[in-house]
Amino acid sequence: GDSVTQMEGPVTLSEEAFLTINCTYTATGYPSLFWYVQYPGEGLQLLLKATKADDKGSNKGFEATYRKETTSFHLEKGSVQVSDSAVYFCALSEGAAGNKLTFGGGTRVLVKP
Amino acid sequence: DAGVTQSPTHLIKTRGQHVTLRCSPISGHKSVSWYQQVLGQGPQFIFQYYEKEERGRGNFPDRFSARQFPNYSSELNVNALLLGDSALYLCASSLIPGQNTEAFFGQGTRLTVV
Repeated sequence: GDSVTQMEGPVTLSEEAFLTINCTYTATGYPSLFWYVQYPGEGLQLLLKATKADDKGSNKGFEATYRKETTSFHLEKGSVQVSDSAVYFCALSEGAAGNKLTFGGGTRVLVKP
Repeated sequence: DAGVTQSPTHLIKTRGQHVTLRCSPISGHKSVSWYQQVLGQGPQFIFQYYEKEERGRGNFPDRFSARQFPNYSSELNVNALLLGDSALYLCASSLIPGQNTEAFFGQGTRLTVV
């Protein structure tokens, strides 16, 4: 079945540092890929998405590129802020399953001033 | 516009009891999905409903059931609660079920089973 694997946290960074969170997936078809963010005490918010190979999703300075050859969708941000402290989830959705989302385990990011 | 609303926000139940969680989707959204998020893990898919019909079911026991009403709101029911059912239960709504359709999540119901 479908699965998503992402790097374990916590990831602790200083403000303005470069952030990378690795994500790889296993799927039988051609999934859409997502990054969701969960701030403390809140639900999930969609951060960005990519629907086909080589697509780049971007939002709020975050980027991720759909790499079919390596089945990866790594999240990057060039200069993090304290407000980026949150838990980040990589997820996929396949057409046959409607928009059922399969999530990775989440990566906690802590940005220190 | 109101987002996805879930009630209650928190509740505590005893083992063996039954619980009902409620979700109101964004106005105009016809699909509702339920997820269970155990502390420190990613959300796990439980159910998806569209136009009041079940469209998908995750790997959860029959103690878990759900339904969708004519106004597209939804209930998740869990019978014979176990300690392991303690989790954040998330509801997500979308216009329709579809691979590229964005799902909007509520803030969740934190269930504690003691």
